[in-house]
Amino acid sequence: ILNVEQSPQSLHVQEGDSTNFTCSFPSSNFYALHWYRWETAKSPEALFVMTLNGDEKKKGRISATLNTKEGYSYLYIKGSQPEDSATYLCAFGTGGFKTIFGAGTRLFVKA
Amino acid sequence: EAQVTQNPRYLITVTGKKLTVTCSQNMNHEYMSWYRQDPGLGLRQIYYSMNVEVTDKGDVPEGYKVSRKEKRNFPLILESPSPNQTSLYFCASSFRLPGLGTGNGYTFGSGTRLTVV
Repeated sequence: ILNVEQSPQSLHVQEGDSTNFTCSFPSSNFYALHWYRWETAKSPEALFVMTLNGDEKKKGRISATLNTKEGYSYLYIKGSQPEDSATYLCAFGTGGFKTIFGAGTRLFVKA
Repeated sequence: EAQVTQNPRYLITVTGKKLTVTCSQNMNHEYMSWYRQDPGLGLRQIYYSMNVEVTDKGDVPEGYKVSRKEKRNFPLILESPSPNQTSLYFCASSFRLPGLGTGNGYTFGSGTRLTVV
């Protein structure tokens, strides 16, 4: 059974703090790793889709790295703002029609 | 505006009363999928469709049906809902196969919160 683990489950930071969280996935048969941002009462929105080992993607203050050999990806937020408060989901692409989602990391940024 | 439209947003129903949750996308995406989200668990795939008239089961298909008669629409049907189907449901679409990593990932609908009493 393929499993995608995200840690921590939740995280409380102060405004201005930089933070990061982890997505762990099977290192064999890797095809893709997605990151999504999910704000309360909204729907998840795609942040990044990464396919190559060593990939780094950036969007504003948010960036992500990918290590397919060891099976993990990091999401970094630089200088967290209250509007960054959301659940961050990662999803592992199995090479076909399925993506397997982790349970998410819930980020709370206090002003 | 490019979007996935899901209806209704909220639904309370009784056990055994058939219901349909509609999903429509205006991006000409070939791939569509239904997920359910329960506390502490990741999004779990119910059914997916690769194109018109082509559908297949995901990880939790029991108690659900789908159809894809037109490219833009992918309704989720609960023939005889039960309380264990109380959940938050999302429809999602993708231009390319999301499992391969081509394209920009999923576009999600706004979600349907279903309560079965």
